[in-house]
Amino acid sequence: QLTLKESGPALVKPTQTLTLTCTFSGFALTSSGVAVGWIRQPPGKALEWLALISWDDEEFYNPSLKNRLTIAKDTSKNQVILTVTNMDPVDTATYYCARNTGTPYYMDVWGTGTSVTVSS
Amino acid sequence: YVLTQPPSVSVAPGRTAKITCGGDNIVRETVQWYQHKRGQAPVVVIYYDTDRPSGIPERFSGANSGNTATLTISRVEAGDEADYYCQVWDSRTEGQVFGGGTKLIVL
Repeated sequence: QLTLKESGPALVKPTQTLTLTCTFSGFALTSSGVAVGWIRQPPGKALEWLALISWDDEEFYNPSLKNRLTIAKDTSKNQVILTVTNMDPVDTATYYCARNTGTPYYMDVWGTGTSVTVSS
Repeated sequence: YVLTQPPSVSVAPGRTAKITCGGDNIVRETVQWYQHKRGQAPVVVIYYDTDRPSGIPERFSGANSGNTATLTISRVEAGDEADYYCQVWDSRTEGQVFGGGTKLIVL
């Protein structure tokens, strides 16, 4: 059974760096054609894609956020980590991770998300 | 790359709902559709324009032509009420793009 679960702080202060962890099971991020990505949804707003890392270490970022995002993987722990620097209240959102597959990539299995609030 | 969806679509139970996703020459892209119910993980209901994952009812179908992709839900049920998002891989920016989402309201 393929599962992904997001974890991280529920509350961060403005200007701080957010670190989120996606822990997955049922698949390997070393398998050809597999990737894991992050997506967020601010309250009352649409889904917004953030970043993706592939099985062969390619990294892809949302151009509008690229200078604030870093995605990395730890295949030994079955984890993907996303860091977001210089957090602002507008970054308040539910953050999801999702497995990607196919060519081109699409999100075939999602986690249930973790809520992050940015407030002083 | 911008994907444009209507904010909401209303349909009576048992009728057919069509949700559109507009994009410049979107026919050249492959389109996915995700169903997102409040408090739950999004679920892909259509991928690569027309393919349906296992477990998704045949009532869900997709099409892509010209500048518009369409998700069609036949024989709509109350349980289909959700937000639906279209998505493509933008080869120009090498990243994924979501539409603004459409709230399906079952009357």
